[in-house]
Amino acid sequence: AQSVTQPDIHITVSEGASLELRCNYSYGATPYLFWYVQSPGQGLQLLLKYFSGDTLVQGIKGFEAEFKRSQSSFNLRKPSVHWSDAAEYFCAVVAPTGGSYIPTFGRGTSLIVHP
Amino acid sequence: GAVVSQHPSWVICKSGTSVKIECRSLDFQATTMFWYRQFPKQSLMLMATSNEGSKATYEQGVEKDKFLINHASLTLSTLTVTSAHPEDSSFYICSALNPPPHVVGYTFGSGTRLTVV
Repeated sequence: AQSVTQPDIHITVSEGASLELRCNYSYGATPYLFWYVQSPGQGLQLLLKYFSGDTLVQGIKGFEAEFKRSQSSFNLRKPSVHWSDAAEYFCAVVAPTGGSYIPTFGRGTSLIVHP
Repeated sequence: GAVVSQHPSWVICKSGTSVKIECRSLDFQATTMFWYRQFPKQSLMLMATSNEGSKATYEQGVEKDKFLINHASLTLSTLTVTSAHPEDSSFYICSALNPPPHVVGYTFGSGTRLTVV
């Protein structure tokens, strides 16, 4: 079974600074990988996803993520954070075989943005 | 893009009553629906997976008689919390999928805040 680790519970950055949120997964092959953002009291919004091909993935709101097979990682990055980026971020992994396609979510990283 | 409408956004009910939460996929066929429960400051906890026309598959520890899931059509799935108690108060989120994930992907509803008093 797959698993995903988000090692940082909270990340604090200043507005305008760069951001990197870490995500590591455990799976025997290349899984499907996702990053979602959740604002308080809301559902999850997809930022970006990786299935195959180019390991650098561009998403919405200026986010990107890089799949690194050797490190089993899929870290999320943004070059310049805006105050509106403050939210909870979830990494998710899905096994591409088996047919159930049940996502496994990390525990989330809370992003705090200082003015 | 794909949209899932979840209603109600919030509901307050008395202990012992039942509450129904609806999730509708507006512009795609949701072959599979996932129902999650989320506690404050925590990740999503999968409650059950339902496929259209089939009985839901519940995760270990989730009472199927308490959390009734119906997925009778490709655009509608419902979660009914029966005989609700204060400990059922939580944030419930649905997620729809038309497999495989790399075509449409997972689309989440906006969540339902349930408060049982």
